[in-house]
Amino acid sequence: DAKTTQPPSMDCAEGRAANLPCNHSTISGNEYVYWYRQIHSQGPQYIIHGLKNNETNEMASLIITEDRKSSTLILPHATLRDTAVYYCIVSLFTGNQFYFGTGTSLTVIP
Amino acid sequence: GAVVSQHPSRVICKSGTSVKIECRSLDFQATTMFWYRQFPKQSLMLMATSNEGSKATYEQGVEKDKFLINHASLTLSTLTVTSAHPEDSSFYICSVKQSNTGELFFGEGSRLTVL
Repeated sequence: DAKTTQPPSMDCAEGRAANLPCNHSTISGNEYVYWYRQIHSQGPQYIIHGLKNNETNEMASLIITEDRKSSTLILPHATLRDTAVYYCIVSLFTGNQFYFGTGTSLTVIP
Repeated sequence: GAVVSQHPSRVICKSGTSVKIECRSLDFQATTMFWYRQFPKQSLMLMATSNEGSKATYEQGVEKDKFLINHASLTLSTLTVTSAHPEDSSFYICSVKQSNTGELFFGEGSRLTVL
């Protein structure tokens, strides 16, 4: 599975959009981009995933560049409860293993 | 509601004893489950892939004789930390992948403290 690179930490003001970038320059054509987040001492929580088209759900939006070498997770109106470590993972849809990188620690500031 | 349940959520044991952690898939049958370990302020590290009815597949560097995995049914996998030592103290998390959505569901995690 391809590796991902994320900034180690980010801050965001409460109520503003949080844009979390992820580089996955070695992604293969059939690998999906998945985003999870982990609040302290809990299991990771699924946020969103996509292949090449932009995706949106009730939690977030996922923007994938045309060359698929990077993506951005957007939390449109960050709240204090969005403070967490966000992980970007690339994996085959039918593949089994998810390998986690170091993630981005997002702090939402009041 | 929860899709994956882990038990116990916290366990404290003495050095040299064995500890069993259970992972249950509540919403669907899972031929494959995954076990992760997470040390403080670090990312999740995949330990092994648990396969129903067959041997688990361990990641490089993970001792299979120390971390025994049993996947006896389509909804239950267990991880047994044998002869635990303080360096085995960690947060252990299991997960299940839903085949039709590709989504990976995680348990709540089990925090092991070895004294």
